[in-house]
Amino acid sequence: AQTVTQSQPEMSVQEAETVTLSCTYDTSESDYYLFWYKQPPSRQMILVIRQEAYKQQNATENRFSVNFQKAAKSFSLKISDSQLGDAAMYFCAYGDDKIIFGKGTRLHILP
Amino acid sequence: DARVTQTPRHKVTEMGQEVTMRCQPILGHNTVFWYRQTMMQGLELLAYFRNRAPLDDSGMPKDRFSAEMPDATLATLKIQPSEPRDSAVYFCASGKGEATEAFFGQGTRLTVV
Repeated sequence: AQTVTQSQPEMSVQEAETVTLSCTYDTSESDYYLFWYKQPPSRQMILVIRQEAYKQQNATENRFSVNFQKAAKSFSLKISDSQLGDAAMYFCAYGDDKIIFGKGTRLHILP
Repeated sequence: DARVTQTPRHKVTEMGQEVTMRCQPILGHNTVFWYRQTMMQGLELLAYFRNRAPLDDSGMPKDRFSAEMPDATLATLKIQPSEPRDSAVYFCASGKGEATEAFFGQGTRLTVV
């Protein structure tokens, strides 16, 4: 069965600095998607970035980028120029037919 | 403005009562997921449907939980009888096809006392 592991329950970063959130997953599939979702205090789940496993190029979305290492089954999220609005719970997710989530990393932004 | 709509947003009920949560997926989406979020377990997948057919409900306690899609515009999650350990936020999400993205509703916060 597929699993997603986020080993950092909480992290803190100074405003304007860069932070990297880690995620590893386990699967025997070769074709799948990986996601990072953000959950602010409002509870709404928001897609931050998506990576298709067959694409070697790492996805980027403005200040958000990923480091996708398919062989290592690793999918980290880098947030550059951290802003106070980035404070949230971040979930890594894996999808082939269904989508499953890791337990999340709570990110604090220090002013 | 396409969005997934969940009702109710909040529900407080007594142990033993039946609870029904409803979800209207985004028009044109053929996949519906139900998740439960707790502090301890994170986001657990309870069940999911494609083209209204249940594909996997192995995440649900079978004796008390049931999920259905009476039509393409409505998904329901029912708990009968409810127990205090069912207290959680329940999310519905919808998408097109196989796991390309899940669009989430705002969740139902359930409290069973």
